[in-house]
Amino acid sequence: DVVLTQTPPTLSATIGQSVSISCRSSQSLLHSNGNTYLNWLLQRPGQPPQLLIYLVSRLESGVPNRFSGSGSGTDFTLKISGVEAEDLGVYYCVQSTHAPYTFGAGTKLELK
Amino acid sequence: QVQLTESGPGLVHPSETLSLTCTVSGFSLTGYSVYWVRQPSGKGLEWMGRMRYNGDTSYNSALKSRLSISRDTSKNQVFLKMNSLQTDDTGTYYCLGASFAYWGQGTLVTVSS
Repeated sequence: DVVLTQTPPTLSATIGQSVSISCRSSQSLLHSNGNTYLNWLLQRPGQPPQLLIYLVSRLESGVPNRFSGSGSGTDFTLKISGVEAEDLGVYYCVQSTHAPYTFGAGTKLELK
Repeated sequence: QVQLTESGPGLVHPSETLSLTCTVSGFSLTGYSVYWVRQPSGKGLEWMGRMRYNGDTSYNSALKSRLSISRDTSKNQVFLKMNSLQTDDTGTYYCLGASFAYWGQGTLVTVSS
């Protein structure tokens, strides 16, 4: 199974600060069809997760453009350009290239 | 609009079988896949398995021997059955559709005698 390693496990930020989260895969997430099925989710306290980014860098409808995703192969990054209070929670990367699909362990974004 | 609703027993005894239902509205099960994901309290997310739009299934390697996912397209429902439950199967169980875009609110399952 694919292992996704997320770093850091915890991130402390001030409002307005830009931050990045890394997700590294144990094998390439490039599908034979040419797509890379790497997604980013945010789970706010007490809520189900919500999709932020799919196919590495595509912003889900309604998600603010301060969120951006990048990467290829085995290395991926989620960047938040100017953290806002509503961004606090746990971020997960999840791959859906190789079944069984797998999640990273999560990165908790806290206020400094 | 798209909605997914999980239903099932809140309490299951150890060694018994868990049966959950995901009722979907706003999209067809023959057009989109449905996944099951679970989350122990205070911990991370675990992908359990999927029912593809064409009826194929795929399972988490660690759960494969205990898990079964099926569907009734006429009722727009997807079913999860997992046997031999233990206390570490306690957590919130989510069904989701369209590749992580749509999530149910989740249902809390407690395994306890």
